[in-house]
Amino acid sequence: QVQLQESGPGLVKPSQTLSLSCTVSGGSISSGGYYWNWIRQHPGKGLEWIGYIYSSGSTSYNPSLKSRVTISVDTSKNQFSLKLTSVTAADTAVYYCGRNPFDSGGRATNWFDPWGQGTLVTVAS
Amino acid sequence: DIQMTQSPSSVSASVGDRVTITCRASQGISSWLAWYQQKPGKAPKLLISAASSLQSGVPSRFSGSGSGTDFTLTISSLQPEDFATYYCQQANSLPFTFGPGTKVDIK
Repeated sequence: QVQLQESGPGLVKPSQTLSLSCTVSGGSISSGGYYWNWIRQHPGKGLEWIGYIYSSGSTSYNPSLKSRVTISVDTSKNQFSLKLTSVTAADTAVYYCGRNPFDSGGRATNWFDPWGQGTLVTVAS
Repeated sequence: DIQMTQSPSSVSASVGDRVTITCRASQGISSWLAWYQQKPGKAPKLLISAASSLQSGVPSRFSGSGSGTDFTLTISSLQPEDFATYYCQQANSLPFTFGPGTKVDIK
């Protein structure tokens, strides 16, 4: 059973870069057949998709964040990572990683299962 | 972006009640819709994909229907463990977007 686990600093100063990693266990990122995603949830609010990466390194980002986001993958560590630059208080949120499986025809389903437990990142000085 | 709306934003219900939550997309998304359940302090859990396909292990009291722009999540007989917030998500086109959520709480 695949499990995802986020890790990284819980506090980031304004204007700095938020960096998080998601470690995948119980399965290999390099086996393909999935997009690996970052999603965030502002405190008490709804969910926002940030972007995804494939094992090959191809990515797609939410246009609302695209200028500040980079998602990368390290297949040797079975991890993928998120970098968000120039953060402000508006980036304070719980950040989740999630898996987006492909169907039997090789098409991404674009729903997220499973999710990591989430990690709260607070942007404050 | 495709905008997702949900109604009601909250519902108070009793154990055993039938609860229906509606989700509407700002443009047609065929059956590219998922439903999630989120409990406080936990990650969302996928309940239903492709508008009506129940995920393995999810109780059969949950059901989904709809296509195009209008979708419904129904809990046929609410159980204590079902008190949570429910989100819909469109999976039709980038960027993927979620509804604002419907909180189901105890009456």
